[in-house]
Amino acid sequence: AQSVTQPDIHITVSEGASLELRCNYSYGATPYLFWYVQSPGQGLQLLLKYFSGDTLVQGIKGFEAEFKRSQSSFNLRKPSVHWSDAAEYFCAVGAPDTGRRALTFGSGTRLQVQP
Amino acid sequence: EAQVTQNPRYLITVTGKKLTVTCSQNMNHEYMSWYRQDPGLGLRQIYYSMNVEVTDKGDVPEGYKVSRKEKRNFPLILESPSPNQTSLYFCASSRDRGGAGANVLTFGAGSRLTVL
Repeated sequence: AQSVTQPDIHITVSEGASLELRCNYSYGATPYLFWYVQSPGQGLQLLLKYFSGDTLVQGIKGFEAEFKRSQSSFNLRKPSVHWSDAAEYFCAVGAPDTGRRALTFGSGTRLQVQP
Repeated sequence: EAQVTQNPRYLITVTGKKLTVTCSQNMNHEYMSWYRQDPGLGLRQIYYSMNVEVTDKGDVPEGYKVSRKEKRNFPLILESPSPNQTSLYFCASSRDRGGAGANVLTFGAGSRLTVL
């Protein structure tokens, strides 16, 4: 069974600073990889996804993530954080060989942005 | 607007009082699923439905029921709620039948349930 680890529960950055949120996964092959963002009182919005091919993927809101097979990682980055980026971020893994399409989520990283 | 709609958004109830959380999507999606979100645990799948009349258990199905009589609706039923079902619940849907795109889920806004 797959698993996802987000080692940082809470991160605080200053507005305009760069951001990297860490995600490590455990899966026997190359999984499908996702980053979702959850703003307070809102549902989850897909930021970006990786299925195959180019290991650097671009998403919405200026986010990008890089798949590193050797490190089993899929870290999320943004070069300059905006106050509106304050939210909780979830990394998720999907298994290509299962029909039920259950995503396995990490426990989330809460991002706080200081002015 | 394409969306997944859940109701109610907030509910406080008491142990043993049956309740239903409705979920409706207007995107003609085949696949629908329910997740619960608990602090420190992320989201965990409760039930899913590949298409009408086809449902199956996810990772944490105990205490829940679902039905899929129409493509657009996928209600979550708590026959006898208990305090350990206090959680934030999300309904999700997906367009594709299979392949990588089938894993791209559209989530509802969530339903926060408190069982006293």
